[in-house]
Amino acid sequence: EVQLVESGGGLVQPGGSLRLSCAASGFTFSTYWMTWVRQAPGKGLEWVANINQDGSHKYYVDSVKGRFTVSRDNTKNSLYLHMNSLRAEDAAVYYCASVPPTVTTPAVFWGQGTLVAVSS
Amino acid sequence: QAVVTQEPSFSVSPGGTVTLTCGLSSGSVSTTYHPSWYQQTPGQAPRTLIYGTNTRSSGVPDRFSGSILGNKAALTITGAQADDESDYYCVLCMPSGIWVFGGGTKLTVL
Repeated sequence: EVQLVESGGGLVQPGGSLRLSCAASGFTFSTYWMTWVRQAPGKGLEWVANINQDGSHKYYVDSVKGRFTVSRDNTKNSLYLHMNSLRAEDAAVYYCASVPPTVTTPAVFWGQGTLVAVSS
Repeated sequence: QAVVTQEPSFSVSPGGTVTLTCGLSSGSVSTTYHPSWYQQTPGQAPRTLIYGTNTRSSGVPDRFSGSILGNKAALTITGAQADDESDYYCVLCMPSGIWVFGGGTKLTVL
């Protein structure tokens, strides 16, 4: 069974940093694209970033470029999102998602999410 | 950046059929945009329904189907049930490689 468990969320001040983690199990992590999707309170889903199997290709939504970095450690079956210069508008539930090989979609399997709050 | 459009809300009667659409603010949606559809109930993580225009994710009943209708992607639900009452999101892959979600459709079954 595919399992994705996010962690690392919390309250951070504007301008601060946070690192989210996603622990994966139940599938061959190194063969899957991985994605971060967020959802601000009461709002819709927003694709944030994704990364290919070996980490050589990364894509970001314009609003986080230069501030967020997606990475992965295939030896630890883990996905990360390093978030710097956080703004109020970054406050959201952040979901980790995985995409099996040969499938073109941002997400097939989803974690339960971790909440990031940005406030002074 | 392109805007992905969805109906803000829709209603369907139990047992009825409803088609939700996913368009682009400029241009037509085709299979090259790899449309996907997700269902979300309040407080829960999204659930993947459809990817690659019309491929159902594992465990999704065949009451849910995806297609291209005219210049939009479409999600059709046949035989609507009470627990289909949810928010539905589509997402499209832009030529730049980034994905853009629509604003979501709140479906009411009544």
